[in-house]
Amino acid sequence: QKEVEQDPGPLSVPEGAIVSLNCTYSNSAFQYFMWYRQYSRKGPELLMYTYSSGNKEDGRFTAQVDKSSKYISLFIRDSQPSDSATYLCAMSPSWGGSEKLVFGKGTKLTVNP
Amino acid sequence: SAVISQKPSRDICQRGTSLTIQCQVDSQVTMMFWYRQQPGQSLTLIATANQGSEATYESGFVIDKFPISRPNLTFSTLTVSNMSPEDSSIYLCSVTTVTNEKLFFGSGTQLSVL
Repeated sequence: QKEVEQDPGPLSVPEGAIVSLNCTYSNSAFQYFMWYRQYSRKGPELLMYTYSSGNKEDGRFTAQVDKSSKYISLFIRDSQPSDSATYLCAMSPSWGGSEKLVFGKGTKLTVNP
Repeated sequence: SAVISQKPSRDICQRGTSLTIQCQVDSQVTMMFWYRQQPGQSLTLIATANQGSEATYESGFVIDKFPISRPNLTFSTLTVSNMSPEDSSIYLCSVTTVTNEKLFFGSGTQLSVL
């Protein structure tokens, strides 16, 4: 079993839809959870990060962590064509560059106008 | 945040040759990393670039194949040596800055080996 599992999609939704992106993981030591957004031919950019369990909201984006189920989600409300990108989940036992992140494979999202 | 300039942005190379990728950051950073992103695969850490000393390689990656330099706090190079078609991938430079520990990425180098 891989440390981090992420459905690669692709996922195609109409503009305005609510999008749910998910990852599961096996390492109970993971404490920090991140979502990166990667546009075509660009490097990943940090979208949101959370520590331990719970929800975190930032505008149209909500990150949710359920450590008991080893499951994290990213919700996008009122999705826009500009949200079309690949979304990568990442996680680590500790915060900071000294502890390498473990990434999911990414989910490719297309929001159709 | 940090602005990371990575070049070349893409290249097509012949089997058996080598390519050096450059990464320049606009501010001092604490750590610099090199990642590989193969189609359909997770981002994989190749190595941590250490200033003035040998890089720290992850399992499955060796210095002879991926020599790395970091002569100062803001610049690093990754060389992909004796390339084969299996080396076709996106290579990404990433950094953590002095002010925070978030990981920032360059735009990547799309490498195709014929």
